[in-house]
Amino acid sequence: AQTVTQSQPEMSVQEAETVTLSCTYDTSESDYYLFWYKQPPSRQMILVIRQEAYKQQNATENRFSVNFQKAAKSFSLKISDSQLGDAAMYFCAYRSWTGNQFYFGTGTSLTVIP
Amino acid sequence: DTGVSQNPRHKITKRGQNVTFRCDPISEHNRLYWYRQTLGQGPEFLTYFQNEAQLEKSRLLSDRFSAERPKGSFSTLEIQRTEQGDSAMYLCASSTSGQGTRTEAFFGQGTRLTVV
Repeated sequence: AQTVTQSQPEMSVQEAETVTLSCTYDTSESDYYLFWYKQPPSRQMILVIRQEAYKQQNATENRFSVNFQKAAKSFSLKISDSQLGDAAMYFCAYRSWTGNQFYFGTGTSLTVIP
Repeated sequence: DTGVSQNPRHKITKRGQNVTFRCDPISEHNRLYWYRQTLGQGPEFLTYFQNEAQLEKSRLLSDRFSAERPKGSFSTLEIQRTEQGDSAMYLCASSTSGQGTRTEAFFGQGTRLTVV
């Protein structure tokens, strides 16, 4: 089974600053999808950004961008101009090409300091 | 697109009782997933349906757990003879099976189970 590792249980960032959350994964597949999900306290998990493994270009969604290093099996999330509303648990997730299930990391709790 | 809906949002039950949760996926999604999440952990896969067929079950899923998805629409997750270790957030998610741009899972708000 694929494994997803998030080595930073907690991170903090000053409002308006930039923070990077780390994620590594283990797989023998060549085609797959990677995701970052955000889970605010007591609220549902929502998708932040998606990356297809066959695409070399890093995905970007407004203030959120990823650094996808396929050979290193690394998928970090960069949040620019951090806002108070970015405070949440962030989960990295892997889905195989056939998509039978999603594998999640243990999450990083992000605190935004005013 | 009204999103994934889960009911109830919270459930408190006594040990040994049976509980049933319901999930209504996004209507055009043919895949439905159940996950369990404990405090400070990421979601753990329990089971997955494609349409009405249950195609995969985690080894974590003991025989006290059963899930159904009649007619490929809503799904139910039943836990029989609940134990304190079953206390967790139960998450439902749905997705399409295509390999195009809509590949992500959409999650419901979850059902928080507390076994006392």
